[in-house]
Amino acid sequence: AQKVTQAQTEISVVEKEDVTLDCVYETRDTTYYLFWYKQPPSGELVFLIRRNSFDEQNEISGRYSWNFQKSTSSFNFTITASQVVDSAVYFCALSEAHGIYAGNMLTFGGGTRLMVKP
Amino acid sequence: DTGVSQNPRHKITKRGQNVTFRCDPISEHNRLYWYRQTLGQGPEFLTYFQNEAQLEKSRLLSDRFSAERPKGSFSTLEIQRTEQGDSAMYLCASSGGTGVNTEAFFGQGTRLTVV
Repeated sequence: AQKVTQAQTEISVVEKEDVTLDCVYETRDTTYYLFWYKQPPSGELVFLIRRNSFDEQNEISGRYSWNFQKSTSSFNFTITASQVVDSAVYFCALSEAHGIYAGNMLTFGGGTRLMVKP
Repeated sequence: DTGVSQNPRHKITKRGQNVTFRCDPISEHNRLYWYRQTLGQGPEFLTYFQNEAQLEKSRLLSDRFSAERPKGSFSTLEIQRTEQGDSAMYLCASSGGTGVNTEAFFGQGTRLTVV
């Protein structure tokens, strides 16, 4: 069975601070995908990143960066110089990488609510 | 195309009533997913369609729930004899192509409140 744990239920920071959102996962699959989604108050889940389990290279996209460590089953997400518009709930998710469900049937964590104060 | 569209956005119903939600995926997306999200939790998978075929159903989808995707385009999710525990956000997602390189796009959801 797959499981995703986001231990931080709520984080509050002041604008321009850096913040890291933790994600730990469990799976018996040897290949899998990891995701991060953002859910603003409007409710729509916004895709941020997908990472293949074979690719442990860290990724940076603007103020966002992701640290994938297979050895500790973690896929952490860092926002540098946070802004008020970053306030949202962030979800980490996991999916299998083979078969008809590959990449889209997601197991989500419980989410981390990030509040960025001006 | 403006993305995945879900209607209605909000639904309040009395316990025991039937409700139906609609999801219009992104045009030509052959894969469609329904998820349920309760307050303070992450979304949970309910069911998956590839074209018109329903290929997977979660154990969360009790016999009071039924989903259809006639002609492989829009999908409906019906809940019969609603219970207070059905109160949740129902999210629809779609993705296209036969490979795994297309991520799922989510709609804004239908929030159901059973009173």
